[in-house]
Amino acid sequence: DSGVTQTPKHLITATGQRVTLRCSPRSGDLSVYWYQQSLDQGLQFLIQYYNGEERAKGNILERFSAQQFPDLHSELNLSSLELGDSALYFCASSVRQGNGELFFGEGSRLTVL
Amino acid sequence: GNSVTQMEGPVTLSEEAFLTINCTYTATGYPSLFWYVQYPGEGLQLLLKATKADDKGSNKGFEATYRKETTSFHLEKGSVQVSDSAVYFCALRSGGSNYKLTFGKGTLLTVNP
Repeated sequence: DSGVTQTPKHLITATGQRVTLRCSPRSGDLSVYWYQQSLDQGLQFLIQYYNGEERAKGNILERFSAQQFPDLHSELNLSSLELGDSALYFCASSVRQGNGELFFGEGSRLTVL
Repeated sequence: GNSVTQMEGPVTLSEEAFLTINCTYTATGYPSLFWYVQYPGEGLQLLLKATKADDKGSNKGFEATYRKETTSFHLEKGSVQVSDSAVYFCALRSGGSNYKLTFGKGTLLTVNP
């Protein structure tokens, strides 16, 4: 158990809909990262927050947004969903930003029908 | 930009066989290098890391040496076990204020008894 909690574990929805994925980092970790894992693209970095502030942005679509709240949990919002958004979305946390030692949650599997 | 190239899988071995998974990288500056492992149904876990040239990372019988001259970080284990069956990801974090990890596409290892 990494200590990172993600909900929901599985989500099935329709095209055009909006979903919110939630992540609770390990106790004491200030940095939260979101990654998308798909068969064709592999693991793609989406966005990183540190203590509530956005610190790095990767291949995140404009239809996606995220935030980190004062209690350090984070949410990833995916809107106007398309079939190609079906993937496993991972949240990871770390004590310090930038040292590369991430603790991953078990992921939220999103299926868009 | 940064990139990581891993050998294509899947790799199938018998128990006690020698394992090598090749990883090469392209990066600016002086990256830190990592191997992460993903067991079935779980998130990624840090396996080992190396932060500078000629460093050797090791954990659970796995080893990888940071070779700057060949831009490589190959993963090795002398005698694999069935429990090592997983997907292995090579990753890098480049220097400076870029906090994200760039992952390879992953290599599926199956170890048969």
